[in-house]
Amino acid sequence: EPEVTQTPSHQVTQMGQEVILRCVPISNHLYFYWYRQILGQKVEFLVSFYNNEISEKSEIFDDQFSVERPDGSNFTLKIRSTKLEDSAMYFCASQNFGQGRIEQYFGPGTRLTVT
Amino acid sequence: GQSLEQPSEVTAVEGAIVQINCTYQTSGFYGLSWYQQHDGGAPTFLSYNGLDGLEETGRFSSFLSRSDSYGYLLLQELQMKDSASYFCAVRDGGFKTIFGAGTRLFVKA
Repeated sequence: EPEVTQTPSHQVTQMGQEVILRCVPISNHLYFYWYRQILGQKVEFLVSFYNNEISEKSEIFDDQFSVERPDGSNFTLKIRSTKLEDSAMYFCASQNFGQGRIEQYFGPGTRLTVT
Repeated sequence: GQSLEQPSEVTAVEGAIVQINCTYQTSGFYGLSWYQQHDGGAPTFLSYNGLDGLEETGRFSSFLSRSDSYGYLLLQELQMKDSASYFCAVRDGGFKTIFGAGTRLFVKA
């Protein structure tokens, strides 16, 4: 069964450093998302991406964040100048609306720890 | 503002039926989804309602009433492995999905 993959599984970085989180969505999916989840809290929407551009972003997704689909398979989230409060689990998800219902497939996540 | 309300915790015994409610207040609405998340794991899609009524998928069913901005997830024949967090989520009409805070389900033997 196809699945969303994410790398790395765990990233430790120092405050102020840049990190890039990588995702490979399911190959025939057209819509891609990034979410974050602070430990013990709810899943928070960051950004959605379709047709090589951002379709919607939340108030969390400020100038510190950017997304890119550099090739036909990868989907990346870049966080510039990380802050302590960026420590969270980051999930990538993909979706194909052609299914006629809204079903997002989540990757296993990247745990980001900012020290 | 946009919000989804669900109980923080529910406890039930193995073999029982449990219902997790969700009420929502969003600027737009394109459907209510339910996800399961085990500790340390990723959310896994369970069910979706785009129209009013009941959707059944095995032991799990989900219901939606758009006029009441209300839905629920029904889990039948509970098993120990169903112990997890359950999130309701609404697509707000655009490409944004808003999640509830989650309901932690404890299944006891």
